[in-house]
Amino acid sequence: DGGITQSPKYLFRKEGQNVTLSCEQNLNHDAMYWYRQDPGQGLRLIYYSQIVNDFQKGDIAEGYSVSREKKESFPLTVTSAQKNPTAFYLCASSAGGTYNEQFFGPGTRLTVL
Amino acid sequence: QQQVKQSPQSLIVQKGGISIINCAYENTAFDYFPWYQQFPGKGPALLIAIRPDVSEKKEGRFTISFNKSAKQFSLHIMDSQPGDSATYFCAAADSNSGYALNFGKGTSLLVTP
Repeated sequence: DGGITQSPKYLFRKEGQNVTLSCEQNLNHDAMYWYRQDPGQGLRLIYYSQIVNDFQKGDIAEGYSVSREKKESFPLTVTSAQKNPTAFYLCASSAGGTYNEQFFGPGTRLTVL
Repeated sequence: QQQVKQSPQSLIVQKGGISIINCAYENTAFDYFPWYQQFPGKGPALLIAIRPDVSEKKEGRFTISFNKSAKQFSLHIMDSQPGDSATYFCAAADSNSGYALNFGKGTSLLVTP
């Protein structure tokens, strides 16, 4: 059963703690993306990676970090430097290249208390 | 800043009616324009996409109209059904950023019985 998995679905953390969100895909996709969704704001790009061991900052990368050590995995760390981390986080992947559909995971809702 | 502007923010349509959502962009490098549908608590799913070499694309009840000179594109949902009630996002992308998506802020569509 191919697709993108994100875990956990809900995550609660205390202010000041780093937290890592998992994203795994078994679609053999080269490109992976992280987006943040806030009510009324649409989705905004945090980071993206087109190949293993390479990634680029998106529009709102401050306070976040990523790694891409394996093709199928693209974890996102929300650091204590992120001023307002409570949001719905979505991971996506695509075959890369031109005009390829991005497939989204089910999302992780992070709440910082 | 938001690179894709979407309107209206919300829309109520009677069953059987036509739903129309509009988007505009400024970046002429954009060459891929998808529309995504999202249900509450879920990740977005691709509905239909268009490239700027065509002015219209139709898939079932969903049609994208594209006006390259005006830098505008729109989604038409014909014979709208209550099951179409969801949030719709337009997006735009180009090769300069690995086809990472620039999303509009979304339109919440409610189709009444």
